[in-house]
Amino acid sequence: GNSVTQMEGPVTLSEEAFLTINCTYTATGYPSLFWYVQYPGEGLQLLLKATKADDKGSNKGFEATYRKETTSFHLEKGSVQVSDSAVYFCALSATSGTYKYIFGTGTRLKVLA
Amino acid sequence: DAGVIQSPRHEVTEMGQEVTLRCKPISGHDYLFWYRQTMMRGLELLIYFNNNVPIDDSGMPEDRFSAKMPNASFSTLKIQPSEPRDSAVYFCASSLSWTGSETQYFGPGTRLLVL
Repeated sequence: GNSVTQMEGPVTLSEEAFLTINCTYTATGYPSLFWYVQYPGEGLQLLLKATKADDKGSNKGFEATYRKETTSFHLEKGSVQVSDSAVYFCALSATSGTYKYIFGTGTRLKVLA
Repeated sequence: DAGVIQSPRHEVTEMGQEVTLRCKPISGHDYLFWYRQTMMRGLELLIYFNNNVPIDDSGMPEDRFSAKMPNASFSTLKIQPSEPRDSAVYFCASSLSWTGSETQYFGPGTRLLVL
């Protein structure tokens, strides 16, 4: 079946450090891939997405590339800020059968000033 | 656009009481989802609707949970009777349609504490 695996957190970085949060997936067909972010006390919101192989999603300095050969969608940012402290969820949407979004377990990022 | 609206934002109740959570999706969205988030189990899909019809309720934990969508602008999730293990944050989300790449828009959540 479809699944998403994220690196466990928490991830603690100093401001301006480079960020990578790993995400790998298992899916039949050609899923779309997403990163959602959840700030404290709020619901999840879309950060970026990619709908086909080799697509790069980007937003607010974050990037992720859909790598079909390695079934990965790692999230990166060149220089994190304190305001990036949040929980990040990798997700995929199945493209066949019942509509299903599969979310990863989330990775908590803490950025220190 | 007001986004997805949930009420109440916080609910504290005693074990055995009935709890009703409410959701208003974004106007024009055909899909509505109910999720539960806990530290132990992460984000779980409970049920989703398409055009007000429940499509998949396989995530509903047990018969104490029920969900309805009487019209396109309103849905409820009811727990009766509530138990302490139901304590969690419950999210409602909606999406425009189903093409395989749709964004889900989440509400702010209802934080439920069952004593």
